[in-house]
Amino acid sequence: QVQLVESGGGLVKPGGSLRLSCAASGFTFSDYYMSWIRQAPGKGLEWVSYISSSGSTIYYADSVKGRFTISRDNAKNSLYLQMNSLRAEDTAVYYCARDLRIAGRGVYFDYWGQGTLVTVSS
Amino acid sequence: EIVLTQSPATLSLSPGERATLSCRASQSVSSYLAWYQQKPGQAPRLLIYDASNRATGIPARFSGSGSGTDFTLTISSLEPEDFAVYYCQQRSNWPPGTFGQGTKLEIK
Repeated sequence: QVQLVESGGGLVKPGGSLRLSCAASGFTFSDYYMSWIRQAPGKGLEWVSYISSSGSTIYYADSVKGRFTISRDNAKNSLYLQMNSLRAEDTAVYYCARDLRIAGRGVYFDYWGQGTLVTVSS
Repeated sequence: EIVLTQSPATLSLSPGERATLSCRASQSVSSYLAWYQQKPGQAPRLLIYDASNRATGIPARFSGSGSGTDFTLTISSLEPEDFAVYYCQQRSNWPPGTFGQGTKLEIK
């Protein structure tokens, strides 16, 4: 069965850095586009970043562009999010999610991890 | 960026009743719209994609309709486990894959 397991969240001071990981299993990871999506406490969902199956195409939300870096290691079935210059408004549960992989532009998210909480506070 | 507006913010119904949730896009997204369900402490679950296609394993009481700017998620007869928050998401103008702000479906 498809599993996505995030790790790496925690408490960090403003301006600090954190690296999130997402371990994938139960499917051929290298065949799928992947994304990070976040949810601030008590708030809605915000797409953060996307990476194509090979890693050749990457997109970011404007709110994180220049501060976050998405990457993947298909040999390790793992997705990463390097977060630098963290701000209080980055506080959220971060989910990794798999693309549904259907024809047409853009992506939907058919499997999600359980999420990892990132808290940015002094 | 396309803005998705969901209504109502909160919907109070009883088990067995019919639920109708709305999602309106600020410009046409064709049929490129999905619906997700999220229960407290859980990750979202994909229910409907491309406006009207049920995702794998989703019960037939969930249905989606609409195109262009106006979309509806209908739950024909509410089960106790259906009370949750529902989000719409568009993929027409990608990136970003914007989400609506959510509709909370609560027990009356």
